Amino acid sequence: DAGVTQSPTHLIKTRGQQVTLRCSPKSGHDTVSWYQQALGQGPQFIFQYYEEEERQRGNFPDRFSGHQFPNYSSELNVNALLLGDSALYLCASSFGTAETQYFGPGTRLLVL
Amino acid sequence: AQKITQTQPGMFVQEKEAVTLDCTYDTSDPSYGLFWYKQPSSGEMIFLIYQGSYDQQNATEGRYSLNFQKARKSANLVISASQLGDSAMYFCAMRESSVSGGYQKVTFGTGTKLQVIP
Repeated sequence: DAGVTQSPTHLIKTRGQQVTLRCSPKSGHDTVSWYQQALGQGPQFIFQYYEEEERQRGNFPDRFSGHQFPNYSSELNVNALLLGDSALYLCASSFGTAETQYFGPGTRLLVL
Repeated sequence: AQKITQTQPGMFVQEKEAVTLDCTYDTSDPSYGLFWYKQPSSGEMIFLIYQGSYDQQNATEGRYSLNFQKARKSANLVISASQLGDSAMYFCAMRESSVSGGYQKVTFGTGTKLQVIP
């Protein structure tokens, strides 16, 4: 039973660039949520996708956007990268929007 | 206002002893869920235990139990018989749902770093 997978594991970008992070949910799950975790902090909710629609959004600017595909996988896009976007980006999946979320290993993004 | 509060930045526990990690929460949603996750240095968040706001009994999962005191809005994690592999960051989290139930938003605390001493 495959768990949540994320790619890439690590990424280095420079300010102003754009980045795309990918997530495949756990088998049988249809809902994907994205979180940003800065060093020494708890994860911060970015948004949640269900039925290919953004259902809820946290306090993040429009530079952060996402997409969910028919196979339930998801992408997180960040435009015009800032130094402060350096963080661990976690994807979590669940069956439905109200069930326990299971997390992937994360993508570590470093913006120089 | 912070919705999840973990007041212990770091904790030490002797191997084989029990330890309690504190968590208090604040919500006006009558239906909510409380979670504990473990995050080793590798970064992956590992689900440990869940407590629903309407659950009458405290949740237990192996060596983990959640001491749920609804009136006090606390959801402390108890780890029994600590093992060296329990050394990690532990996060308390709360799920709130929309009125229609069309989404859930999970809010995390700042975490407690647990170190198990041999």
